Amino acid sequence: AQSVTQLGSHVSVSEGALVLLRCNYSSSVPPYLFWYVQYPNQGLQLLLKYTSAATLVKGINGFEAEFKKSETSFHLTKPSAHMSDAAEYFCAVRRNQFYFGTGTSLTVIP
Amino acid sequence: EAGVTQFPSHSVIEKGQTVTLRCDPISGHDNLYWYRRVMGKEIKFLLHFVKESKQDESGMPNNRFLAERTGGTYSTLKVQPAELEDSGVYFCASSQLRGSTDTQYFGPGTRLTVL
Repeated sequence: AQSVTQLGSHVSVSEGALVLLRCNYSSSVPPYLFWYVQYPNQGLQLLLKYTSAATLVKGINGFEAEFKKSETSFHLTKPSAHMSDAAEYFCAVRRNQFYFGTGTSLTVIP
Repeated sequence: EAGVTQFPSHSVIEKGQTVTLRCDPISGHDNLYWYRRVMGKEIKFLLHFVKESKQDESGMPNNRFLAERTGGTYSTLKVQPAELEDSGVYFCASSQLRGSTDTQYFGPGTRLTVL
């Protein structure tokens, strides 16, 4: 069975601070992993995806994530938060279908 | 290029009524997916169309839900009769290919409230 755990339903960071959103997955085989972002009143937008190539994946808007098989993790990071990063972030694993985490709402404090 | 659109954006109905949600995928995308997010929980897969055929409907909760995609273009998701637990946000997504790494493009969702 596939599952995704996002630790922390709400995360607050100061503008300019490091953003770290956690994602752990359970999978019997190495999965394909995704991070999506949802801005208010918009659809989910793909940030980045891991497809068994490089373990460090760079995405849009300065985000990146590192696949760590030993830790079954795929945490999302950004060195310096911007006000425009305030949104909800979803980690997902895909085999035949998507399995999403419960989402993490990011607040950026000016 | 227009993205995935969904209509309506919000719907409030009473228990026992019928509601139909519509999704227009990106033009040329054969794959269309429906998902649902119950408040505070994860987004869950409902079903997958390839053109007009249902490829996978393993996530459909019960037979009160009926999805169609006549002609392989837009899709509708009907809930009849609606129950309180059907409340949530219904997302539609489309993709051009079918691979596990193919990007799915999501619509903004329809927020359904059943009173």
